[in-house]
Amino acid sequence: ETGVTQTPRHLVMGMTNKKSLKCEQHLGHNAMYWYKQSAKKPLELMFVYSLEERVENNSVPSRFSPECPNSSHLFLHLHTLQPEDSALYLCASSPPPGQGAGELFFGEGSRLTVL
Amino acid sequence: AQSVTQLGSHVSVSEGALVLLRCNYSSSVPPYLFWYVQYPNQGLQLLLKYTSAATLVKGINGFEAEFKKSETSFHLTKPSAHMSDAAEYFCAVRNQAGTALIFGKGTTLSVSS
Repeated sequence: ETGVTQTPRHLVMGMTNKKSLKCEQHLGHNAMYWYKQSAKKPLELMFVYSLEERVENNSVPSRFSPECPNSSHLFLHLHTLQPEDSALYLCASSPPPGQGAGELFFGEGSRLTVL
Repeated sequence: AQSVTQLGSHVSVSEGALVLLRCNYSSSVPPYLFWYVQYPNQGLQLLLKYTSAATLVKGINGFEAEFKKSETSFHLTKPSAHMSDAAEYFCAVRNQAGTALIFGKGTTLSVSS
């Protein structure tokens, strides 16, 4: 079983749909992240959760809504998205301070296409 | 504020040739630096990390990187490229708050036979 699992791997949705991306980590980490990867652009940090509390929110539009019910699960709820939101959404986790240098462990991503 | 710049969006080498991928950083505190690799349709995999212990860092798959404070650089090298090294490579620095990583734009490595 991989360390960080993302579902679905591929998602196609219309602009009026509501969908969710799911991330689960099996590494015992206490921080989880959402990054957006678009073509020709650097990875964009969207949200950071530490011990289930949101610690960073990088000016992300409200049509993206994160949820972290526990330290192993992270969701990204999507509604009324725009075509420019089409991208690869990457989930990552990191170990507690003192157990690493802050390195991230990534899932394989969810490829989102908005029509 | 922390940032990284990767010089060259695309690098092409022949199989068996030296691989050199360049990364320069900017940091207001002693940096924690990372290199990641991404194969098509996959997430990012950690290659190596610098945490101030040793300036020459060895990673997986034969890659290594050297931290040079005077040049604010953390270039990634491999003595002999393999076809399987073809991928996208990202340099990253930990942000000042220590809460996340800031990534460069990436460098695509192509390896020809």
